[in-house]
Amino acid sequence: KQEVTQIPAALSVPEGENLVLNCSFTDSAIYNLQWFRQDPGKGLTSLLLIQSSQREQTSGRLNASLDKSSGRSTLYIAASQPGDSATYLCAARPGAAGNKLTFGGGTRVLVKP
Amino acid sequence: SAVISQKPSRDICQRGTSLTIQCQVDSQVTMMFWYRQQPGQSLTLIATANQGSEATYESGFVIDKFPISRPNLTFSTLTVSNMSPEDSSIYLCSAYRGNEQFFGPGTRLTVL
Repeated sequence: KQEVTQIPAALSVPEGENLVLNCSFTDSAIYNLQWFRQDPGKGLTSLLLIQSSQREQTSGRLNASLDKSSGRSTLYIAASQPGDSATYLCAARPGAAGNKLTFGGGTRVLVKP
Repeated sequence: SAVISQKPSRDICQRGTSLTIQCQVDSQVTMMFWYRQQPGQSLTLIATANQGSEATYESGFVIDKFPISRPNLTFSTLTVSNMSPEDSSIYLCSAYRGNEQFFGPGTRLTVL
């Protein structure tokens, strides 16, 4: 059974610092991995999707890497801003497309002005 | 991408009553999902709703408590029945398209 872990559970950084968010998964036979952002009391916004054959994906200040062999993905947010404050969740999809996602517990990020 | 809307966005309900949450996707999708997020927790999958068949429920969730309808490829409803304070959560609708999963804005439910 796939387990997804995100450490730390919470992170506080000063504005301008780069953010590094970690996600680990126990079963390397994933189809893809998604990173989401969730603001308090709101739904999830998809940030980046990495297919199992990819090593990284980039969108603006965001970069996500994937290392299947070690069961890890990392989300980098460059030059953090107070607007980046949110909870970030990673989720792994198992080997066959369309199967259900397994979510990590999330990392709550606070960027202080 | 997919744009997903949910109604209502929030509600406060009395114990023992039922609430139906509606989910609308901007275009046709095969698979839709319903999740629950209890305060301070990550997401838990309630069920997968496919058009033309009964929903598939996860362990710990039953149809009598969470009946789901999926009348077409763009719409689904989730009913939370005979509510208790333990049902107070955010309920999220989700759809899968093009290898990616998208979420609605959620319905924040408080049961008194």
